[in-house]
Amino acid sequence: AQKITQTQPGMFVQEKEAVTLDCTYDTSDQSYGLFWYKQPSSGEMIFLIYQGSYDEQNATEGRYSLNFQKARKSANLVISASQLGDSAMYFCAISGYSTLTFGKGTMLLVSP
Amino acid sequence: EPEVTQTPSHQVTQMGQEVILRCVPISNHLYFYWYRQILGQKVEFLVSFYNNEISEKSEIFDDQFSVERPDGSNFTLKIRSTKLEDSAMYFCASRTSGGVTSTDTQYFGPGTRLTVL
Repeated sequence: AQKITQTQPGMFVQEKEAVTLDCTYDTSDQSYGLFWYKQPSSGEMIFLIYQGSYDEQNATEGRYSLNFQKARKSANLVISASQLGDSAMYFCAISGYSTLTFGKGTMLLVSP
Repeated sequence: EPEVTQTPSHQVTQMGQEVILRCVPISNHLYFYWYRQILGQKVEFLVSFYNNEISEKSEIFDDQFSVERPDGSNFTLKIRSTKLEDSAMYFCASRTSGGVTSTDTQYFGPGTRLTVL
């Protein structure tokens, strides 16, 4: 079984600052993928970034980067230069060869 | 850019009624999924579908639920006799293959909000 833990129910950040959203995981699979999705108030699930368990380098996608520490089983999302439009719910998820298992999410609020 | 689409965006139904939620996955994707999200809670897996059959399902996916790919483009979730606790956002997702690499990212539709009265 796979499990995702997101310990921060809510985070506040000022515009243009960086913020880190925490995610730890548990899995017995040797190969797995870690994903972050953004869910704005409109409700859709937007894929942000992927990290493979065998990837040696941290994933980056524009202002998003993933701080992957395999030994600690953590996959924290770093958003640089926060924008007002980044205010949303953020979900970390893990995939084996089939389904996605999600965490409970972190609500990020970006203030001017 | 190709995207997953879902209809309707919002469905209101009476308890005990049947509902069908529709999804059009991305055209070259082979694996299809339904997830649900009860308001304020995390997203939960319901069922996965590949090669015209269910490949995996969760405990939530009981006999009241069924899925179908009636033609080459649509993927449907049917709830036979809705209950109050079925009220949730239902997401369809699809991906190209069934591995764990970046190309196996699941892309989600915008969701259907189901309200059971």
